[in-house]
Amino acid sequence: GENVEQHPSTLSVQEGDSAVIKCTYSDSASNYFPWYKQELGKRPQLIIDIRSNVGEKKDQRIAVTLNKTAKHFSLHITETQPEDSAVYFCAASKETGANNLFFGTGTRLTVIP
Amino acid sequence: DADVTQTPRNRITKTGKRIMLECSQTKGHDRMYWYRQDPGLGLRLIYYSFDVKDINKGEISDGYSVSRQAQAKFSLSLESAIPNQTALYFCATSDYRSDRGHNEQFFGPGTRLTVL
Repeated sequence: GENVEQHPSTLSVQEGDSAVIKCTYSDSASNYFPWYKQELGKRPQLIIDIRSNVGEKKDQRIAVTLNKTAKHFSLHITETQPEDSAVYFCAASKETGANNLFFGTGTRLTVIP
Repeated sequence: DADVTQTPRNRITKTGKRIMLECSQTKGHDRMYWYRQDPGLGLRLIYYSFDVKDINKGEISDGYSVSRQAQAKFSLSLESAIPNQTALYFCATSDYRSDRGHNEQFFGPGTRLTVL
């Protein structure tokens, strides 16, 4: 099965700085890579996703990059704000077959005002 | 708004007891999932169902069973609860379409289960 590794497990940044979270996956057939944000005491919610036919996707202050050859993808948050503080999970899946999501272990991001 | 709901939100039980966690959705999605969240381990899939007649084991199904009573309802049971099943449990739904590919999963609010 798929194995997704996520680093770092914790990350602290000053408000206004950028944050980068990295994930690697093991199954070269995976082709869908979502990122979920979980605020304290809340449910995970999708913030951005990327499919393997593109290398980068942006949505305002967040972006995701994908390197299929190296089997890694990253989440980039620019101009961080205190409300960005949360746990972020990456995941990987195939588009066909069971296409279940395999999640990374999460990164706790703290934005220091 | 269409939503995913879970009951109960919190439950404390004793070792050996049978317990059921329930999930309902008004999103009209076909696919439903049960996950377990433990600190430092992320979200791990327990069972998933693509329709009422389709039930599949996930990564960590041992000690759990499920029932898809209707398109909108998916229940998770612990037949004989043990302390290492203490965790936060999430139900999720998705609406996969072959012409659009994978779509996001929508999570319920979670059930915090403690087994003493």
